[in-house]
Amino acid sequence: ELKVEQNPLFLSMQEGKNYTIYCNYSTTSDRLYWYRQDPGKSLESLFVLLSNGAVKQEGRLMASLDTKARLSTLHITAAVHDLSATYFCAVDIPTGANSKLTFGKGITLSVRP
Amino acid sequence: DGGITQSPKYLFRKEGQNVTLSCEQNLNHDAMYWYRQDPGQGLRLIYYSQIVNDFQKGDIAEGYSVSREKKESFPLTVTSAQKNPTAFYLCASSIPTFSKTQYFGPGTRLLVL
Repeated sequence: ELKVEQNPLFLSMQEGKNYTIYCNYSTTSDRLYWYRQDPGKSLESLFVLLSNGAVKQEGRLMASLDTKARLSTLHITAAVHDLSATYFCAVDIPTGANSKLTFGKGITLSVRP
Repeated sequence: DGGITQSPKYLFRKEGQNVTLSCEQNLNHDAMYWYRQDPGQGLRLIYYSQIVNDFQKGDIAEGYSVSREKKESFPLTVTSAQKNPTAFYLCASSIPTFSKTQYFGPGTRLLVL
């Protein structure tokens, strides 16, 4: 059974500082997704990482994937209040032509002045 | 505008009652999914469907049923057998492109009276 673990589960960040959050998973997969969820809202796709060594960047967020270590990191540069949200990683179990995702429990980020 | 719609936004269920949550997409996506999210938890897969007239159980299918009579629609019925239905229900869809990204609807919050 695939297990996806995220840590820490809650992170209080100071504005302007850099942080890294982690997602590790238990079985082989070369496809990992990061989503953002604002309170009471749905999930928004942030990144799709499709191979070992993949790196994607969008604004202050940069995600990377190490399939050998079964680890993805999400690096936050110079945190700002708008980044306060819950971030989920999800790992794909190949199921035919489409994906079947297993989600971590999410990491809630709170940016303070 | 293309997208995924879910209705209603809030749904109240009485003891012993079956209720149906609607999910419609006009993205021409082949695959559709239902997830359940409990407070402070990640998403858990209830059912998924890769093509019309076919669907598979996810990790927590007991007490739920689905149908997929049309490509655009994937309704979820929460039956009276589901003893703890209070949760946030999210529908998603995806297309079998290389990324296989799942896109989420706005969600339905189900509460028990």
